[in-house]
Amino acid sequence: AQTVTQSQPEMSVQEAETVTLSCTYDTSESDYYLFWYKQPPSRQMILVIRQEAYKQQNATENRFSVNFQKAAKSFSLKISDSQLGDAAMYFCAYRTPNTGNQFYFGTGTSLTVIP
Amino acid sequence: DTGVSQDPRHKITKRGQNVTFRCDPISEHNRLYWYRQTLGQGPEFLTYFQNEAQLEKSRLLSDRFSAERPKGSFSTLEIQRTEQGDSAMYLCASSPGQGPAKNIQYFGAGTRLSVL
Repeated sequence: AQTVTQSQPEMSVQEAETVTLSCTYDTSESDYYLFWYKQPPSRQMILVIRQEAYKQQNATENRFSVNFQKAAKSFSLKISDSQLGDAAMYFCAYRTPNTGNQFYFGTGTSLTVIP
Repeated sequence: DTGVSQDPRHKITKRGQNVTFRCDPISEHNRLYWYRQTLGQGPEFLTYFQNEAQLEKSRLLSDRFSAERPKGSFSTLEIQRTEQGDSAMYLCASSPGQGPAKNIQYFGAGTRLSVL
């Protein structure tokens, strides 16, 4: 069974500082996709960044980057120069085309940005 | 492109009543998903449509739940004889069937159901 684990229920970071959110997953598949989604309070989830498992290079989107360690099944999100607008719930998600089209989500990490 | 739209945003109902939610995906997205999210948890998959065909259903989707996508565009999720345990946020997502974004799911704001 595919499982996604986010071991940090809550994290906080000073504005302008850097924070890393952890995610591990369990799979026997070799072809899969990993995602970080952001869910602000009472608002819809939006995609932050994604990573294809076959790509060795870590994905980067502006201030957001990932550290993808395939052997360790780890997929952490680094947010640099944190801004107040980054405060949200962050969900790590996994998908493999071999077991259907659903996403498997972790339980989320609530990020607080301190001014 | 107005994004994924869900209606209503909030629904309060009494136990035993039936409720129906609607989802309008991004136009031209042929894939549509329903998820359920309870407090403190990540979204859990309920069902998946490709065009009008319902291709996958989770074990979470009990007999009281039914989803349709009759014309391959909007979808409805109906819960019959609601129970207090059905209280949750119901999320809809859509994705294109091809192209560089085919593996991305775009989410709506959800329908929050409260069963009294």
